[in-house]
Amino acid sequence: DTAVSQTPKYLVTQMGNDKSIKCEQNLGHDTMYWYKQDSKKFLKIMFSYNNKELIINETVPNRFSPKSPDKAHLNLHINSLELGDSAVYFCASSQDSWVGKGNEQFFGPGTRLTVL
Amino acid sequence: TQLLEQSPQFLSIQEGENLTVYCNSSSVFSSLQWYRQEPGEGPVLLVTVVTGGEVKKLKRLTFQFGDARKDSSLHITAAQPGDTGLYLCAAHGSSNTGKLIFGQGTTLQVKP
Repeated sequence: DTAVSQTPKYLVTQMGNDKSIKCEQNLGHDTMYWYKQDSKKFLKIMFSYNNKELIINETVPNRFSPKSPDKAHLNLHINSLELGDSAVYFCASSQDSWVGKGNEQFFGPGTRLTVL
Repeated sequence: TQLLEQSPQFLSIQEGENLTVYCNSSSVFSSLQWYRQEPGEGPVLLVTVVTGGEVKKLKRLTFQFGDARKDSSLHITAAQPGDTGLYLCAAHGSSNTGKLIFGQGTTLQVKP
């Protein structure tokens, strides 16, 4: 009965490869997010979707492409992986996209991506 | 650019000690949150503060939002090994997009 799940948990791959990370939430939330946490533990938002529509798109290389087939899923596809893409990627969801108390974001367990 | 600065970045203490973690910014925030993240897991929300000067308590944890809503502190009384983890402050900016800005985190180790 995991609220926000991600697969895979660990991903080790070579530079130049293309890979995807999947995220699913069973909370009935309308908004989903992707965050990147670097080696210094700094957590930064990459994208967010509300009802399958992109609403936040931070300055992220266009090698990263989020896809939301339905509001319970938000996948992250990464093309031509680079060494600097190594990080932990977190998916999160919240009921709505507005800011403030009462709209808690629930995070998945993370996917540790290592690019060799 | 709205930035949140946390201090200290690392803290290693003995069980039973008290500690305070700070989260500061030059920007005013509509609300501020504190998360705890354990190894191999995602951040989990501890508290949200919205009113300047607000104090919230969660067992041995006391959270305070600055009067001007630019800073916050987390105080832990009589720390226990189970408090070990990464503590992150995060804030919502003025834009209504759901964008959370995170501080760089405070890694706390409580030794038995």
